[in-house]
Order: sequence, then C-alpha cells, then structure tokens
Amino acid sequence: EAGVAQSPRYKIIEKRQSVAFWCNPISGHATLYWYQQILGQGPKLLIQFQNNGVVDDSQLPKDRFSAERLKGVDSTLKIQPAKLEDSAVYLCASSLERGGEQYFGPGTRLTVT
Amino acid sequence: GENVEQHPSTLSVQEGDSAVIKCTYSDSASNYFPWYKQELGKRPQLIIDIRSNVGEKKDQRIAVTLNKTAKHFSLHITETQPEDSAVYFCAAVYSNYQLIWGAGTKLIIKP
Repeated sequence: EAGVAQSPRYKIIEKRQSVAFWCNPISGHATLYWYQQILGQGPKLLIQFQNNGVVDDSQLPKDRFSAERLKGVDSTLKIQPAKLEDSAVYLCASSLERGGEQYFGPGTRLTVT
Repeated sequence: GENVEQHPSTLSVQEGDSAVIKCTYSDSASNYFPWYKQELGKRPQLIIDIRSNVGEKKDQRIAVTLNKTAKHFSLHITETQPEDSAVYFCAAVYSNYQLIWGAGTKLIIKP
C-alpha cells in the first residue's frame, strides 16, 4: 500500500512569511496527526484529526498555526507569520483508528531565516 | 501531567553486545506502547510494539517487556549491529488516545 505522502520536502522562508504543508494519509486511515520535530528532540504533537474533526490541538500555537482536513482525507498545516523558532521538521502521520499504530510521512524540513 | 520518561539519553555499546533502553509512564490506563527507530534525516519507523495484555514480545533480535504494576517498559536489542545505530523513541498511548513520546535515546554501536 502507498505510504503517507507529504510536500514539499524542503522549504526555506524568511521570518514573518507564511508557509503551508500538505499531507495525504494512507487510504482508509481515519486519524491524522501533525508533529513538529526540532533537531535533537522527539516529535511534538501539534494537532490530531479524527476524520475531518479536531480531537486534540492543545499544543498548537493557534496565534500563528492553523490546520484543516476538510474532506477527512488530505490535510494542510499553515504557519503565518513564521518565526525563527519554527525551524523544524514537520511530520504527518496517520493511523487506522485513534490510538493505533502510526505511519509517518517523510516530513517537511522548514528553515526560517 | 501525562509524560513518558526515557533513559538513557545516549547509549554506546560494542558491536555484538546487548542494548537496553527503559521508559516509564504515568497513566495506569495506558494500553499500547510502541517503539520507534529514527535514523538521521529519516522518518520515525515502528520497530516493535506491545499491548497491555502481554508482558513480553520478541521479534528476532528485538524484544520489549512491560511491567504494568511498575508502569515501565523496556526495549532490548541483542547482538547489536552497526545498522542499529539510530535514535530510539518509546511512547505510550494515554486514555485520551494521545501518543506521548519519550525524549529519545541515541544508540551508538562501536565497531
């Protein structure tokens, strides 16, 4: 089966600019996750969707980050405006059900200058 | 609060020796404990997992043990090889279905 797809793979922007990431989960996976992984740290959950509804966004900096999964399949994560500390790898993962095995995409490496 | 503690942060072992990484969790309702391996510049990949109804699970050179009473679980890698070098993360699914990650262990296999 096809894995989790993400694009772009790399992005370099200046601070205060905006950026968007796209994720296509494994077909049939109801749960989708966005993680932020700063170099040398473990993944930090930003937001979790169950179908097209948000079930956990407690660690999402809502003043600048937003995410949507309108049709319960693809998802986009947006940062506006970006800050230097947003430089990280943004990982998308999906699972068949909540609490199930998570499969990760290749990630998007964001550099904010 | 919900957390998973992982030790050690760095582990260096001689090739062929065993490696053990330990994690503790705080939510007694947790029932799923995956371990992920992340090589430099790559995505985390599930290497083994265990559910709360079993105490041990093995897959070739990798094993995981779970002690629900003490709320800790461990990853054991035997006969380590150079390709085992990576960062390993433990995690626990809490009662709200959120996966809480440990801070990671950098495993170095010395030739």
